[in-house]
Amino acid sequence: SQQGEEDPQALSIQEGENATMNCSYKTSINNLQWYRQNSGRGLVHLILIRSNEREKHSGRLRVTLDTSKKSSSLLITASRAADTASYFCATDSGQGAQKLVFGQGTRLTINP
Amino acid sequence: EPEVTQTPSHQVTQMGQEVILRCVPISNHLYFYWYRQILGQKVEFLVSFYNNEISEKSEIFDDQFSVERPDGSNFTLKIRSTKLEDSAMYFCASSAQTGATGELFFGEGSRLTVL
Repeated sequence: SQQGEEDPQALSIQEGENATMNCSYKTSINNLQWYRQNSGRGLVHLILIRSNEREKHSGRLRVTLDTSKKSSSLLITASRAADTASYFCATDSGQGAQKLVFGQGTRLTINP
Repeated sequence: EPEVTQTPSHQVTQMGQEVILRCVPISNHLYFYWYRQILGQKVEFLVSFYNNEISEKSEIFDDQFSVERPDGSNFTLKIRSTKLEDSAMYFCASSAQTGATGELFFGEGSRLTVL
């Protein structure tokens, strides 16, 4: 079954605006992570939030986690053209699993 | 800053041939992974490797695939008898902790094109 699923699939905003991306998942988790991927490149870890945390900040990034709704959101404030990329949430599948399962991703375009 | 390196960056092969994709994980990491991404699609888990053996594998990782850590630094993915649908970007990743608790560090990927 699918684990992390992002929404929207694509988002286009003006530079300076805030961008919000959402992720839903199905099974219980130990943590949820967000990664960024520039076109044709590898994935870069952005932030990890543990299942007992509700909110976490890192620079212009703010992540929330609602385990009752099995959902998370990633907010990028004061967006820049360089933030243009695909953003993926990733979850472990609990039960002692080692792997991360990635969602479909949100393709974010920041227009200058 | 330590990084995961992958070679080759791009490989073109004929259908039915064998390919080996190579990865050098970050030196003090213990967990190693292969993922693949078909163009425009999601990043799919293939296999995880810990303590010199496969710890988890997906349905995609069938007998056509194998992994090896032949020495203390390299981690390889072998794909036998390649098919057209094996064309994808293959990413290696490593982590100091299991993915359930820590972040993964990804290489830049090896693009495989099967003709």
